[in-house]
Amino acid sequence: DAKTTQPPSMDCAEGRAANLPCNHSTISGNEYVYWYRQIHSQGPQYIIHGLKNNETNEMASLIITEDRKSSTLILPHATLRDTAVYYCIVSGGGSNYKLTFGKGTLLTVNP
Amino acid sequence: NAGVTQTPKFRILKIGQSMTLQCTQDMNHNYMYWYRQDPGMGLKLIYYSVGAGITDKGEVPNGYNVSRSTTEDFPLRLELAAPSQTSVYFCASRTGAPSGELFFGEGSRLTVL
Repeated sequence: DAKTTQPPSMDCAEGRAANLPCNHSTISGNEYVYWYRQIHSQGPQYIIHGLKNNETNEMASLIITEDRKSSTLILPHATLRDTAVYYCIVSGGGSNYKLTFGKGTLLTVNP
Repeated sequence: NAGVTQTPKFRILKIGQSMTLQCTQDMNHNYMYWYRQDPGMGLKLIYYSVGAGITDKGEVPNGYNVSRSTTEDFPLRLELAAPSQTSVYFCASRTGAPSGELFFGEGSRLTVL
């Protein structure tokens, strides 16, 4: 798997957009970018994924740069319940079956 | 569908004991994974499987064994438990498609005293 780099922590005011960055400069052409989040000690929850194009679903938007070396997860209107550790991972394609997680970003949404 | 089911949810072991963490999924997923998560840390991959009869080591396989005799089940065996294996263990599964998302179980909290 391509390695990812995320800031260890970020703060966001409730109701504002939270923009979480991720660097994945060694990503290969057939690897997807996935975002998960983990609230307290629960199992990680899938948020969104993408290959080349920007993606949006009911939870978030994913912006992938044209060179695919970095991406940004956007939570448009953060709430206190969005406080969690957010993981960016890249995987997929060919015989790349491993899915390894980094340390993620602890997002704290403040009232 | 129940998704990914892990048992037990909690267990206390004495040093040197052995046990098996059970994981079963009803989504007919080919790929299954075991992770451990120590307090305040990220997830570390222990073992994974790409189908029945096929398993491979992840980042931290020492002290563990797995088997995959069926598509549904992927048990994790701890032999000679040590305090360093105190952790929360998560099982996950996904389809074989490159874009398949991971589905996680609720976790099994293991304490070795």
